[in-house]
Amino acid sequence: AQKITQTQPGMFVQEKEAVTLDCTYDTSDPSYGLFWYKQPSSGEMIFLIYQGSYDQQNATEGRYSLNFQKARKSANLVISASQLGDSAMYFCAMTHGYDKVIFGPGTSLSVIP
Amino acid sequence: GAGVSQSPSNKVTEKGKDVELRCDPISGHTALYWYRQSLGQGLEFLIYFQGNSAPDKSGLPSDRFSAERTGGSVSTLTIQRTQQEDSAVYLCASSYKGRGVLQETQYFGPGTRLLVL
Repeated sequence: AQKITQTQPGMFVQEKEAVTLDCTYDTSDPSYGLFWYKQPSSGEMIFLIYQGSYDQQNATEGRYSLNFQKARKSANLVISASQLGDSAMYFCAMTHGYDKVIFGPGTSLSVIP
Repeated sequence: GAGVSQSPSNKVTEKGKDVELRCDPISGHTALYWYRQSLGQGLEFLIYFQGNSAPDKSGLPSDRFSAERTGGSVSTLTIQRTQQEDSAVYLCASSYKGRGVLQETQYFGPGTRLLVL
């Protein structure tokens, strides 16, 4: 069965440092997509980055990059030069079949000044 | 352009009452999702609408929950005879689901915070 695992319930990072948020997944689909979303304390879910399973290069969006290791079934999010505004919950998600997206349990990131 | 909107933003109700939550998706988006997020938890899929196809109701926790989508646009999630365990944030998301498109970035609304007393 499809499953998303985020093993870090909480993370701390010093401002301006880089941080990696872990995500592993399990799927039997040959083709799938992986996403990361950010949820600040205000509650809205903000799309950050997408990686397709057949994409040859790791996705990057500004300070966000996705470290995609297909053989290991991992899709870690790397945030460079952390800012105080990066403090939030981060959810890894994956397409499930053609119609659904499933979400991991989330990682709480706190950026320390 | 306008994003996904949801109303009300907050709802307090008494146990046993019915509530209706509304979602206005992004114009042109064919797919619409409802999720539930309990305090400190991840997202729990509830129901999915795609175009004119029959909705995927596999995530609805009980028959007290129902949803409809009128005219392929606005959706209403109805919870009948609310219970205290229904207290959560209900999030709506929409996406453009083109034919053969795998990538499906979902754009979320701000959510409705439901509290059942």
